[in-house]
Parts: sequence; C-alpha cells; structure tokens
Amino acid sequence: AQSVTQPDIHITVSEGASLELRCNYSYGATPYLFWYVQSPGQGLQLLLKYFSGDTLVQGIKGFEAEFKRSQSSFNLRKPSVHWSDAAEYFCAVGAAQAGTALIFGKGTTLSVSS
Amino acid sequence: DVKVTQSSRYLVKRTGEKVFLECVQDMDHENMFWYRQDPGLGLRLIYFSYDVKMKEKGDIPEGYSVSREKKERFSLILESASTNQTSMYLCASSFPDRYQPQHFGDGTRLSIL
Repeated sequence: AQSVTQPDIHITVSEGASLELRCNYSYGATPYLFWYVQSPGQGLQLLLKYFSGDTLVQGIKGFEAEFKRSQSSFNLRKPSVHWSDAAEYFCAVGAAQAGTALIFGKGTTLSVSS
Repeated sequence: DVKVTQSSRYLVKRTGEKVFLECVQDMDHENMFWYRQDPGLGLRLIYFSYDVKMKEKGDIPEGYSVSREKKERFSLILESASTNQTSMYLCASSFPDRYQPQHFGDGTRLSIL
C-alpha cells in the first residue's frame, strides 16, 4: 500500500540557518510527489511538485526538493530560513489510480528561532 | 490563480444539528475533496468526488455525507453533529490526472458544543 512518512514531527531552526525536512514514500511505480505548506489558520499551499525529469525540483519561496529513487525519499530544503517560514509542512504522493486522492504524510511543524 | 472558497472560516454548532459545509472552486476541476485535519493525525480524507453526482468514500466517512449537484460546488454534510466532529475541515479540488496537484481552500474550523 502507498504511504508517506515524515519522520520529524517538530523541527526548530535558527533564522538564517539551512533547513531539510524529510519525506519517505512507499510506492511501487514512479511516484508523483508534492510538498505543501500550511501557515497557522490557513489552507495548504503548494510549494513544489515532482513527476518526471530533473530530480532536483525548484519551488516557490526559495524551496527545493530532491527526488532520490534509491532511498524512496523526497526531502525539502531551503538554504536560509526566514521567520516567515514557520509553518506546518506536508509531503504527499499521488495515488496509484488517476482521479483519486493524494496520500499525505502527517506533517512536520517548523519553528524558527531568532 | 485557482480559487477554492469555503463558505465559513469559523462555525459553531450544537450537538445533534445538521451541519452543511460548502465549497466552491472556479477552475472547472473534475475532482473535489473533503479532508479533516486534527493535531497529530494530519489530513484524513472524508469523501471525494470525481464528477457531478459521483462520490467515493475516503478513510473516515462515518457520520458524514456529501453532495455534488454542480461541478463547481461540493458540500459536506454532518447529519447529526457530535462533539468528536469538532475539527478543521479542508476542501480541495484538482484535475483528474495523477500528477495534478490539489488546490486547497482556507479551511473551516468547526466547533460542536
């Protein structure tokens, strides 16, 4: 069965430091992968997506993610974190059957310290 | 830009009431979804719809029903609200292909007293 694991429930990073949020997926074929961000009290906003081609994907707000098939991972990175990046981050994989829902990880909450 | 609009940001209802949560999208998306979000549990799929009048149960459909009479509108119905349905409810829409992302509304925070 397909699944997404985000091993870190909560991460604290100093402002200006680099960030890496981990995501591991379980999927038999080539996955379609997404990262979303949710600011407090808001809906989810798409940061980036991967479905083919270059394994390093650029997104909005200075984020990038790297697809590593050998490790079944799709980790999200940012070279320098800003206080406004404090939010909850969700990794998701496209389901096997077209027209069905994404499968989401349980999320990682990012806190940014000054 | 895709716009998914949920009718209420905050809603307070009483136990036993019938509650309607409305969602409208403006991008002609075939697929629409209702999720429930609770701390530590992430997003859980309640129902989704891939066409007008079509629906599929998600992971936690018990106590909920849905209606999709028009392509742009997807309603979530709590038939008889209970306190354990207090939660954040998120609506999303997308095109049907697997690689298409879902676009989310801002959510409805529902409290059942």
